[in-house]
Amino acid sequence: EVQVVESGGGLVQPGGSLRLSCAASGFTFSDHYMDWVRQAPGKGLEWVGRIRNKDNGYTTEYAASLKGRFTISRDDAKNSLFVQMNSLTAEDTAVYYCTRSRNWGTYWFFDLWGRGTLVTVSS
Amino acid sequence: DIQMTQSPSSLSASVGDRVTISCRASQSIGNYLNWYQQKSGHAPKLLLYAASSLQSGVPSRFSGSGSGTDFSLTISSLQPEDFATYYCQQSYTFPLTFGGGTKVEIK
Repeated sequence: EVQVVESGGGLVQPGGSLRLSCAASGFTFSDHYMDWVRQAPGKGLEWVGRIRNKDNGYTTEYAASLKGRFTISRDDAKNSLFVQMNSLTAEDTAVYYCTRSRNWGTYWFFDLWGRGTLVTVSS
Repeated sequence: DIQMTQSPSSLSASVGDRVTISCRASQSIGNYLNWYQQKSGHAPKLLLYAASSLQSGVPSRFSGSGSGTDFSLTISSLQPEDFATYYCQQSYTFPLTFGGGTKVEIK
């Protein structure tokens, strides 16, 4: 089955750090760009960032609002995606979704989503 | 950043109704526009990409149109399983941005 499954969410204190993981299966993970998207409780979707594949140098893009606190990485040998989140605040409380990006020519979209993992930042 | 504004933020409709949701970009994005459906408690699901291309497996009652700054998602005949929140998203440039969502509720 083609899927991505997030893990690593939980309760963390303000100022703390957390590392989320995403395990991919059923497709050639190494071929794909991968993104993280988050959703605060009762709110809309917010893009977090992207990591490209090896052919594109594993380069990354991030939402400017994160101000360098988040780092996305991947381990193609383990079919895994990660996001390291530092200096967390209450505004980072959200469900974090791992997504696969696909393209049709120059058009890119998120065609596969995990169920998400909840991160709660609170003392 | 490109701001995506959806309207209305919510609507009530009946099964069988034709429903149209609008999405406006703060600057021209060509047709780099995607639509997603999210049911309560679930992950979003891709409906359309490149403004009007239907994702595989998505019913043909869903259609999209528009280019530049103004886009729309139309459900030709609303079905019970279509009650959900719909989001547009621009893929023209980074940072990628979503609209605020349109919640489609049962009348």
